Amino acid sequence: ETGVTQTPRHLVMGMTNKKSLKCEQHLGHNAMYWYKQSAKKPLELMFVYSLEERVENNSVPSRFSPECPNSSHLFLHLHTLQPEDSALYLCASSQDAGRGEITGELFFGEGSRLTVL
Amino acid sequence: AQTVTQSQPEMSVQEAETVTLSCTYDTSESDYYLFWYKQPPSRQMILVIRQEAYKQQNATENRFSVNFQKAAKSFSLKISDSQLGDAAMYFCAYADNDMRFGAGTRLTVKP
Repeated sequence: ETGVTQTPRHLVMGMTNKKSLKCEQHLGHNAMYWYKQSAKKPLELMFVYSLEERVENNSVPSRFSPECPNSSHLFLHLHTLQPEDSALYLCASSQDAGRGEITGELFFGEGSRLTVL
Repeated sequence: AQTVTQSQPEMSVQEAETVTLSCTYDTSESDYYLFWYKQPPSRQMILVIRQEAYKQQNATENRFSVNFQKAAKSFSLKISDSQLGDAAMYFCAYADNDMRFGAGTRLTVKP
């Protein structure tokens, strides 16, 4: 496989469930990102990992918990979500020039469509 | 925090015609990067064009070109000879320490 792969593509969960989103990049990049995409709103940056260390979390609620075990994999663990968390969650990767500095293209996955009932 | 504004939620263009999508941004930085991304109905976002703020020359990529006005903090995208495959959501993005996106413009191409 090439590029950025996200699984699952669709997820429906109840407010008390615990689930995880997975992202894998095959591009040799050193930075990975989670974005939330809601209808008619700008993409919201949730988490940034550069060299496997989290450099930004943008005050995301603790019910979202990221994990980056290595430079190729990124997870978003979900628990006790709210209906307003329903959205498309996009993973992206890039090759950063330096720690936390974005100068180049982000490569996106196709996203995981999350519905919270 | 840097903000990116796309004032046109929807635009339409006749096939083979030219369309311009608007984008403005707010920043106090002098060095940064600007991007236009395209998100077709299949949802995977791909890069259309990139501009470095220190470069005065407007970036061009085949039928896509930008009008970068640094003083006005404006970064519009021009699509020439529009094709049916250009129909998508277009997002303007600003980057320095992280990447911020606008809300997007949905482009429809009429045959």
